[in-house]
Amino acid sequence: AQKITQTQPGMFVQEKEAVTLDCTYDTSDPSYGLFWYKQPSSGEMIFLIYQGSYDQQNATEGRYSLNFQKARKSANLVISASQLGDSAMYFCAMTPSGANSKLTFGKGITLSVRP
Amino acid sequence: EAGVAQSPRYKIIEKRQSVAFWCNPISGHATLYWYQQILGQGPKLLIQFQNNGVVDDSQLPKDRFSAERLKGVDSTLKIQPAKLEDSAVYLCASSLVATNEKLFFGSGTQLSVL
Repeated sequence: AQKITQTQPGMFVQEKEAVTLDCTYDTSDPSYGLFWYKQPSSGEMIFLIYQGSYDQQNATEGRYSLNFQKARKSANLVISASQLGDSAMYFCAMTPSGANSKLTFGKGITLSVRP
Repeated sequence: EAGVAQSPRYKIIEKRQSVAFWCNPISGHATLYWYQQILGQGPKLLIQFQNNGVVDDSQLPKDRFSAERLKGVDSTLKIQPAKLEDSAVYLCASSLVATNEKLFFGSGTQLSVL
């Protein structure tokens, strides 16, 4: 079984500053993938970044980077140079590797970017 | 490229009524998912299709929920009869394959059961 934990209360960040959103996970699978999704008020879930458990380097996608610490089972999302449009819910998710694997989500974190 | 289409966007019904949601995935995507997202929680997988076959429906309340994906393209999710606790956003997602692949989501259907 997999479990994703996101415990931060609502987060606030000043525009143009960096922010870290925490995610810890628990799994017995030896190989797995970690994802972050953004959900703006419109409701659509938008893929941000992916990290494989055997990837040697931390994933980066533009202003998004994933601080992956396998031994601590954490996969924190770092957003650099925050923009007003970054205000949204952010979900961490994971899936074991292999065919037909199920994606399990955390409960999410609300991020508000202040002008 | 067109995204995942869902309808209706909003639905309000009374308890014990029935309701159906429709989803058209991205063209060529073999895998289709229905998720339920209750307010303040992350999405929970209800059912996963690979083409027109069910891969995982372990969390689908089969006494009241049903889903089909005829011809391996679009899909419908039905609730009959609805309960108050079914109030949620129902998200449809699709992916090319079902192996560590990022999912593309629709905007969801927000269901309110009164």
